[in-house]
Amino acid sequence: EAGVAQSPRYKIIEKRQSVAFWCNPISGHATLYWYQQILGQGPKLLIQFQNNGVVDDSQLPKDRFSAERLKGVDSTLKIQPAKLEDSAVYLCASSLWAASLKETQYFGPGTRLLVL
Amino acid sequence: GDSVTQMEGPVTLSEEAFLTINCTYTATGYPSLFWYVQYPGEGLQLLLKATKADDKGSNKGFEATYRKETTSFHLEKGSVQVSDSAVYFCALSSDTPLVFGKGTRLSVIA
Repeated sequence: EAGVAQSPRYKIIEKRQSVAFWCNPISGHATLYWYQQILGQGPKLLIQFQNNGVVDDSQLPKDRFSAERLKGVDSTLKIQPAKLEDSAVYLCASSLWAASLKETQYFGPGTRLLVL
Repeated sequence: GDSVTQMEGPVTLSEEAFLTINCTYTATGYPSLFWYVQYPGEGLQLLLKATKADDKGSNKGFEATYRKETTSFHLEKGSVQVSDSAVYFCALSSDTPLVFGKGTRLSVIA
């Protein structure tokens, strides 16, 4: 079974530029998550989708971050404009159901973003 | 809100040493508890989990027991290998998506 795919793996941009990350979850997984992992910290949830609907985006900085999952499969996370403090690893994860939040989440390899 | 506290690293051990990484939590309700591992250059992988009190999760020689009375989920391994060098994250999920600790970096030297 293929795992969660993410691209690109690495991205370097200057502040105020925009950037987009892509995620393709495990086939059949209804729930998709985006996390931000700043160096030396644990991942922090940005947004959770159930199929193509947003379940939780309470920690997403909506003035600069946006995410979509139009067809309920793959997803894009965008930052516009980027700030220095956005330098982090952006992790995508998926799980079979959202009905139980205790469902195991499977993580992709992440996209490492450096904002200069 | 829910939170996870795990011991700060880095932890450096010799091969075949005994490993303990402490993890305690604060949560409402009855959370499930997880240990995730992140090998260099790779994404997070689920190592083990426990869904109710007194459950023991185990995988690859690692174990952790869900202790409700002490709100703990300490990770243990009897004999570590160089290949166990990684960052280990304790996490919980109750009424919210996963909440992670800050991670503990383990280095095992031959």
